[in-house]
Amino acid sequence: ETGVTQTPRHLVMGMTNKKSLKCEQHLGHNAMYWYKQSAKKPLELMFVYNFKEQTENNSVPSRFSPECPNSSHLFLHLHTLQPEDSALYLCASSQVWPSNGELFFGEGSRLTVL
Amino acid sequence: DQQVKQNSPSLSVQEGRISILNCDYTNSMFDYFLWYKKYPAEGPTFLISISSIKDKNEDGRFTVFLNKSAKHLSLHIVPSQPGDSAVYFCAASDSGGYQKVTFGTGTKLQVIP
Repeated sequence: ETGVTQTPRHLVMGMTNKKSLKCEQHLGHNAMYWYKQSAKKPLELMFVYNFKEQTENNSVPSRFSPECPNSSHLFLHLHTLQPEDSALYLCASSQVWPSNGELFFGEGSRLTVL
Repeated sequence: DQQVKQNSPSLSVQEGRISILNCDYTNSMFDYFLWYKKYPAEGPTFLISISSIKDKNEDGRFTVFLNKSAKHLSLHIVPSQPGDSAVYFCAASDSGGYQKVTFGTGTKLQVIP
């Protein structure tokens, strides 16, 4: 496999459920990201991991919990979500340095919270 | 406060003509600017970028222009093709040790055959 892969592609969950989104990159990058894309809004940066260390938490509610066990894998654990959390969640990876800001995105996980 | 703004949510262009997508930014610390293209049900893919020390970068049919004094950049696609129909995101980064890429809301381009 190549690139950035995300699973599942679609997820429907109730407000009391616990689920996880998974991301894997095969590009040898050392930085991984979670972005949220809601309708008619910019892509919102949620979390950044550099060399497995979290370097950015963009004021994300604690019901979203990231985990980065190694430079190739990134998870987003979800619990007690709200309907307004329904969105497309995009994982990305990149080189840390040198860098021009180019990100490599997965195809996204479409989340619906009922 | 949105630091990267794309004020046109949509644009329609005839095949073969030029498409011009615009973007404005407010943060003078941004040092790289990028355009991403997104098809439905796919993640965004990198298209072209420009460093803040340049005012133009060209790659085939795609050219990005940067006007730092106006804090404005634009993407020109010439000639436009139906396969260019997608959402285009303008983005900017402040690459100070780690990356924090800020995106605009996107412009949906439709190229009419």
